[in-house]
Amino acid sequence: QVQLQESGPGLVRPSQTLSLTCIVSGGSISNDGYYWTWIRQYPGKGLEWIGYIYYSGTTYYNPSLKSRLSMSVDTSKTHFSLKLSSVTAADTAMYYCARYDFGHGMDVWGQGTTVTVSS
Amino acid sequence: DIQLTQSPSFLSASVGDRVTITCRASQGVSSDLAWYQQKPGKAPKLLIYAASTLQSGVPSRFSGSGSGTELTLTISRLQPEDFATYYCQQLNKRPYTFGQGTKLEI
Repeated sequence: QVQLQESGPGLVRPSQTLSLTCIVSGGSISNDGYYWTWIRQYPGKGLEWIGYIYYSGTTYYNPSLKSRLSMSVDTSKTHFSLKLSSVTAADTAMYYCARYDFGHGMDVWGQGTTVTVSS
Repeated sequence: DIQLTQSPSFLSASVGDRVTITCRASQGVSSDLAWYQQKPGKAPKLLIYAASTLQSGVPSRFSGSGSGTELTLTISRLQPEDFATYYCQQLNKRPYTFGQGTKLEI
């Protein structure tokens, strides 16, 4: 059974780069049909879909974040990562990684990691 | 981006009730819609995908219907564990957007 676990700093200074990693266990990132996704949830509870990466490295980023966003998947295919540059307080949120079963929705989620942007 | 509007935003109900949550899209999403349940301090959980297909392990009292711009989630015979916040998400056009949520309260 696939499990996901996010890791990263809980506090990031304004204008710095937020880096998060999602460790995939119990399965392979390289399985066809799954897209590895990042989603964030604001303190007011709204959800925003950030984007996804396929095991081949193909990505799709939300246009609202595209200029600041980068995703990668590691060569051993055990984790994938997110980098968001030039963060502001508006980037404060709970960040989730999830597995997107294409056409079927986000069927596996990590527990989430809280990120606060503050000086 | 496709905007999703859920109604109601808050819903008060009792155990045993039947409730319906509506998700309206700013443009047609066909049947490319998923429903999630989120409990406090937990990640969302996939309940339904493709508008009406129940995710494995989800109780049959949950059902989804509709297509295009108006889709619904129905919970028949509410159980105590169903009190949570529900979100719809369209998977028709990227970026895949979410509704604002419906909080189901006792």
